[in-house]
Amino acid sequence: GAVVSQHPSRVICKSGTSVKIECRSLDFQATTMFWYRQFPKQSLMLMATSNEGSKATYEQGVEKDKFLINHASLTLSTLTVTSAHPEDSSFYICSALGRSSTDTQYFGPGTRLTVL
Amino acid sequence: DAKTTQPNSMESNEEEPVHLPCNHSTISGTDYIHWYRQLPSQGPEYVIHGLTSNVNNRMASLAIAEDRKSSTLILHRATLRDAAVYYCILVVSSASKIIFGSGTRLSIRP
Repeated sequence: GAVVSQHPSRVICKSGTSVKIECRSLDFQATTMFWYRQFPKQSLMLMATSNEGSKATYEQGVEKDKFLINHASLTLSTLTVTSAHPEDSSFYICSALGRSSTDTQYFGPGTRLTVL
Repeated sequence: DAKTTQPNSMESNEEEPVHLPCNHSTISGTDYIHWYRQLPSQGPEYVIHGLTSNVNNRMASLAIAEDRKSSTLILHRATLRDAAVYYCILVVSSASKIIFGSGTRLSIRP
């Protein structure tokens, strides 16, 4: 089956620093990847859609300069949380869209970010 | 986006079947019905999807009403590892993106 990995799985950083999270599709090419965030006891919230070789499309209310997304290849998308603050602490999850007509998404295991 | 309605929580006994309902009365003709589940502290996992006909796979079955305004995810024999939040989602093929609702938190009693 389709496998998506994320790195790191957990990260703790100081306020004001930037953190990069990688999302890789391991056994398939993904022209489209998605980034979500999830707060405790809440559902996933879509942050942005990332297309290979083009700029990401951000959902309303998500700051583009705060959450930088790069999708440089068909197997890798990165999310950089710039100048992180404690309120950015969350569970960040990526997904990759398989190349089929039914648009099944394959999700990574998530990255737990804690900003001190 | 067309929305879905699911019960907040359900409980079932281990080794018994579980029927998870989902209402989607505003579904359009091209919307696929997808089910994902999320175990604690993990990313969501694809379960099953369908368009009009009932579907079966190794994980579950999906029963779709004739008018497509509702569907039911069926776990034939629940195990403790099936305890998760189950999300019923309508996917517009051309848009691809998934908008998650609140899902159903399924608990399994040993």
